[in-house]
Amino acid sequence: KNQVEQSPQSLIILEGKNCTLQCNYTVSPFSNLRWYKQDTGRGPVSLTIMTFSENTKSNGRYTATLDADTKQSSLHITASQLSDSASYICVVRFRGGGADGLTFGKGTHLIIQP
Amino acid sequence: ETGVTQSPTHLIKTRGQQVTLRCSSQSGHNTVSWYQQALGQGPQFIFQYYREEENGRGNFPPRFSGLQFPNYSSELNVNALELDDSALYLCASSFDKGSYNEQFFGPGTRLTVL
Repeated sequence: KNQVEQSPQSLIILEGKNCTLQCNYTVSPFSNLRWYKQDTGRGPVSLTIMTFSENTKSNGRYTATLDADTKQSSLHITASQLSDSASYICVVRFRGGGADGLTFGKGTHLIIQP
Repeated sequence: ETGVTQSPTHLIKTRGQQVTLRCSSQSGHNTVSWYQQALGQGPQFIFQYYREEENGRGNFPPRFSGLQFPNYSSELNVNALELDDSALYLCASSFDKGSYNEQFFGPGTRLTVL
């Protein structure tokens, strides 16, 4: 069964600090992996996308890594800001899958404190 | 903010009632997917519409139905509402149905069933 597990479930850090969120998946065969940011009560917004051949991708203060061998990804946030408070969702696409080919993690709820 | 809009923003219904949720896709997009997101969970795929035809369906009962209009906007209908239907309903549009096309999410409709 295709699954995406994220850790930690929730995280509280001080403004200006760095943090790393984890994503482990069992989706096979793998197509791509996205990280989304979801503000409370809003729709998810894509931060990065990585395919099998990519092992790192950055978007401003967000850097995602992918190890396709161990089926692990991480999202590193540098110099956190209050606006980074949100849920971060890891989404993996199943290669050859159709409309239902996405598997969503439950997300990590990140709170940035001043 | 993406160009995907949803209405209404919030909705309160009672068990047994019927509800219609609406989604306007981003300009140039012909594919719309609907997701149900319970509190603290990742989105669950309901179904996808591509050029007015259903293009895949998740594990949801037939009382969840939908349609897509010639302008590619879409509706999600839920009959015989149950308490467990309370959730954030997300609509996502994409340029095409292909697996590499990014989905752009709307802000969601928060449905509460009493």
